[in-house]
Amino acid sequence: DAGVIQSPRHEVTEMGQEVTLRCKPISGHDYLFWYRQTMMRGLELLIYFNNNVPIDDSGMPEDRFSAKMPNASFSTLKIQPSEPRDSAVYFCASRLQGTGNTIYFGEGSWLTVV
Amino acid sequence: DAKTTQPPSMDCAEGRAANLPCNHSTISGNEYVYWYRQIHSQGPQYIIHGLKNNETNEMASLIITEDRKSSTLILPHATLRDTAVYYCIVRGINAGGTSYGKLTFGQGTILTVHP
Repeated sequence: DAGVIQSPRHEVTEMGQEVTLRCKPISGHDYLFWYRQTMMRGLELLIYFNNNVPIDDSGMPEDRFSAKMPNASFSTLKIQPSEPRDSAVYFCASRLQGTGNTIYFGEGSWLTVV
Repeated sequence: DAKTTQPPSMDCAEGRAANLPCNHSTISGNEYVYWYRQIHSQGPQYIIHGLKNNETNEMASLIITEDRKSSTLILPHATLRDTAVYYCIVRGINAGGTSYGKLTFGQGTILTVHP
């Protein structure tokens, strides 16, 4: 079975541009998480969904960030407008309810905003 | 969630056992201990978890003290590919048996396995 699939793997964009990161969770998983990792702050949970519904978005840094999950097999994290401080690795992860906290992470999307 | 304390870094010789400690003195009765690791440039990877009994799987062993205030992750025969950041996380399970959604990562322990 394929793992969590993220795209793009790497993106370099100019400040002010819109950035869209995409995620396909593991088939059948009903939880989806978006994390951000930087050297300064480590791994931070931004938002998570259960059955496509956002449950906790308290980690979303500001209104420039938005996340959607239109169906069970797809989610997006959008940054508009992007700023240099948004440069980070963004991880998507998924989990199946009833399996404890065994969360499966994707390989990450490496974002650089110049 | 209970706070965890891990050493910032450790070294281990290839082929030897790597013993990574974690303190979680404020752990409560329904909280599990989870271990994840993150190899450079990859997403975190689940290793093992336990409640109070020692656990073993194909990757590692988890030893939890009787008072549950600390635990040790053991990689029995470390290889160079085990060089990674290891995260110890304590997380509760709700009354329904499913876990809460959030998993909070600390700074972890950087394990370096050398030849």
